[in-house]
Amino acid sequence: DVKVTQSSRYLVKRTGEKVFLECVQDMDHENMFWYRQDPGLGLRLIYFSYDVKMKEKGDIPEGYSVSREKKERFSLILESASTNQTSMYLCASKIVSGANYGYTFGSGTRLTVV
Amino acid sequence: DQQVKQNSPSLSVQEGRISILNCDYTNSMFDYFLWYKKYPAEGPTFLISISSIKDKNEDGRFTVFLNKSAKHLSLHIVPSQPGDSAVYFCAASARTGANNLFFGTGTRLTVIP
Repeated sequence: DVKVTQSSRYLVKRTGEKVFLECVQDMDHENMFWYRQDPGLGLRLIYFSYDVKMKEKGDIPEGYSVSREKKERFSLILESASTNQTSMYLCASKIVSGANYGYTFGSGTRLTVV
Repeated sequence: DQQVKQNSPSLSVQEGRISILNCDYTNSMFDYFLWYKKYPAEGPTFLISISSIKDKNEDGRFTVFLNKSAKHLSLHIVPSQPGDSAVYFCAASARTGANNLFFGTGTRLTVIP
């Protein structure tokens, strides 16, 4: 069965800390995504990646960066965490070809910045 | 600019009745639509999809209807069950060019026993 694994379910970090959120998929998918979910705002795309070392900004990239050194791993980095980055972070992956254009999501990381 | 809209943030339905969740989109290039279901503290899971060449797709208790001229789709759940209580996200994609889905803001469905 297809799997997207996010390394942490819950994280509490202090303002100004550098935060790494890790995501690993075991499906050999080309595309990977990072979203955040906030009440009333739905899922907003932060960054996505077409392939290794490739990345594209999504709708809300400010304050974030990403790294994709290996096909199976896509990391989201908060360079200096702020309280407005408290949110649920969701990683997803997708195969490029095929009839189903749906994504497979991880279980999410609930990040609280204090 | 929100290209996919779910105008009802919440919906409450009695168990056994029909739940109807609505979604509107603005981009005429969208040709594939999906519904995801999300429980608290979990990632969204795929529920059902529809291609623009169809106007209806059914899977058990779940049916999605697409009205391309109105740029509107809806998800019908019948009969509704308490386990259906979750947030439902509508999503849309254009097969050519795009590599990501556009999500709506979600509708929280509560099925009352």
